[in-house]
Amino acid sequence: EAGVTQSPTHLIKTRGQQATLRCSPISGHTSVYWYQQALGLGLQFLLWYDEGEERNRGNFPPRFSGRQFPNYSSELNVNALELEDSALYLCASSNGQRTNYGYTFGSGTRLTVV
Amino acid sequence: AQKITQTQPGMFVQEKEAVTLDCTYDTSDQSYGLFWYKQPSSGEMIFLIYQGSYDEQNATEGRYSLNFQKARKSANLVISASQLGDSAMYFCAMRHIQGAQKLVFGQGTRLTINP
Repeated sequence: EAGVTQSPTHLIKTRGQQATLRCSPISGHTSVYWYQQALGLGLQFLLWYDEGEERNRGNFPPRFSGRQFPNYSSELNVNALELEDSALYLCASSNGQRTNYGYTFGSGTRLTVV
Repeated sequence: AQKITQTQPGMFVQEKEAVTLDCTYDTSDQSYGLFWYKQPSSGEMIFLIYQGSYDEQNATEGRYSLNFQKARKSANLVISASQLGDSAMYFCAMRHIQGAQKLVFGQGTRLTINP
């Protein structure tokens, strides 16, 4: 079974540009979660998508947005990039019925804003 | 609101020794799950162990066990017979069973195993 896949692995952007990060969940998983992990810090919750709908949003500005496609893959868009957006962005998926299983994470996209 | 606190930024342990990583949590809900994840330098989050709030016995998974003390709201991870490959960041996390269901993470503990 393929795990959660994220692309690209690394992304370098200039301040003010837009970044698009992609995530493919494990087959059968309908929920996708996005987290931001700044260097040396813990994981901050960004967004949760389930069945194509945004279910919850963390304390981030509106320039962080995303969507979930009919095949349950997801995209995270970050507009008007700022230097402090440099971080590891982790995507996770879960089968919402198995609350005791936690999430399965991808390897992340490391975004660098210069 | 949920909150996870990990008070040990770094831990250094000799190989083959046991190590306890501390985690306390705060929630007003009765139904929740507690998780521990390992993050090697590669960045991927690896699920280690789960404890439900209604589970009466402490969870165990191989060399990992979770010391769950509900009244004290603590969920410490115990790694027995540590190995060099255990060197990594370790995160405690909590998830409410109902409602938002998002995982809330602590700040993590960097564990270094010395040979």
